[in-house]
Amino acid sequence: NAGVTQTPKFQVLKTGQSMTLQCAQDMNHEYMSWYRQDPGMGLRLIHYSVGAGITDQGEVPNGYNVSRSTTEDFPLRLLSAAPSQTSVYFCASSPTSFGTDTQYFGPGTRLTVL
Amino acid sequence: DQQVKQNSPSLSVQEGRISILNCDYTNSMFDYFLWYKKYPAEGPTFLISISSIKDKNEDGRFTVFLNKSAKHLSLHIVPSQPGDSAVYFCAASGFWGAQKLVFGQGTRLTINP
Repeated sequence: NAGVTQTPKFQVLKTGQSMTLQCAQDMNHEYMSWYRQDPGMGLRLIHYSVGAGITDQGEVPNGYNVSRSTTEDFPLRLLSAAPSQTSVYFCASSPTSFGTDTQYFGPGTRLTVL
Repeated sequence: DQQVKQNSPSLSVQEGRISILNCDYTNSMFDYFLWYKKYPAEGPTFLISISSIKDKNEDGRFTVFLNKSAKHLSLHIVPSQPGDSAVYFCAASGFWGAQKLVFGQGTRLTINP
């Protein structure tokens, strides 16, 4: 199993550009989520999905869109990039959204918005 | 409003000694607590967890202690090894969704030979 994969590893955008961060998992996990990590603030939940076709907002959803058309993929879209979205983005998955299932994180995407 | 706080940005410990990482939380509705370990250029990996109905959980060299009255938890690593050098994140979740984690800021642990 590859686990949770994220592409690209690095990305530089100009203000106003749009892009999609890709996330895929091959463990047949129901639950997937996106976090951003900023210096001094830990990881914060952006959006999450409890299964294909179902998504919901986390703590910091503004400026981001998600969709979940398949169990495997959970892309994160930046509609109009802003410097405040400069961050490291982590995708995670877990078998279910219930109980205490372990979340598995991808290696991250480092995004810089100029 | 930081609901989960790790007040020590960094900690340096000699190899073989005990490492103690601390975490405080403010939300009394949290009922599940976790520690994640993160190496540079990698995603966080799960280390150990504890439910609010317990006050201690052990897994090999790692022990997590929970003091609910003080809203405080700690991670003990004994003995510390060079491979333990990493950033450690404390995280918590509550009844609103076990997977919707709230993370602390992280503590960078350095184990010196």
